[in-house]
Amino acid sequence: DTGVSQDPRHKITKRGQNVTFRCDPISEHNRLYWYRQTLGQGPEFLTYFQNEAQLEKSRLLSDRFSAERPKGSFSTLEIQRTEQGDSAMYLCASSLGPQTGETQYFGPGTRLLVL
Amino acid sequence: GNSVTQMEGPVTLSEEAFLTINCTYTATGYPSLFWYVQYPGEGLQLLLKATKADDKGSNKGFEATYRKETTSFHLEKGSVQVSDSAVYFCALTLLNNDMRFGAGTRLTVKP
Repeated sequence: DTGVSQDPRHKITKRGQNVTFRCDPISEHNRLYWYRQTLGQGPEFLTYFQNEAQLEKSRLLSDRFSAERPKGSFSTLEIQRTEQGDSAMYLCASSLGPQTGETQYFGPGTRLLVL
Repeated sequence: GNSVTQMEGPVTLSEEAFLTINCTYTATGYPSLFWYVQYPGEGLQLLLKATKADDKGSNKGFEATYRKETTSFHLEKGSVQVSDSAVYFCALTLLNNDMRFGAGTRLTVKP
């Protein structure tokens, strides 16, 4: 069990560019979550997957954001036409299943800076 | 809506002092409650959790009891160490398991 990994750890981009982040969950974890954390705040839920199905999206997830988990393993989060307000830490988490109260295990995050 | 409110920081304590970080919640239904910790330069780690009323979660000397009557899940430790310096997040989940976090409380413990 190597834990949840995320790549890259840091990304600096110019406004208007597209960026893509990758998350590899703990193997055999069926659920995968994406969160966004800004400085001094707690993480905010963006979206989650049960295997390859995207089951819920937050209103925070604008049309410029898209997430996929094509084979039910790793996931990608793409932001198109980045804006300065997208600068944040993007966190991925995974859990074994859908049971209420399941522990979510978090990755180290990808820190995005939009110039 | 479903939300968590936790004690604002920062909190600064001397080593071996008693720690309380308050957390209250608002939820439709019966949430599961969590405390996560974020050490400097590291990711979020589960500290403890409780899934039903009157449950007590405990780990590394930290404790929190799920109090339905006061909708609270306060974090306590009897004697803090310098190594406990971190940011602590209270969180809840409901049926769909998307986690709602508080704003975090930064704890600094001085020798």
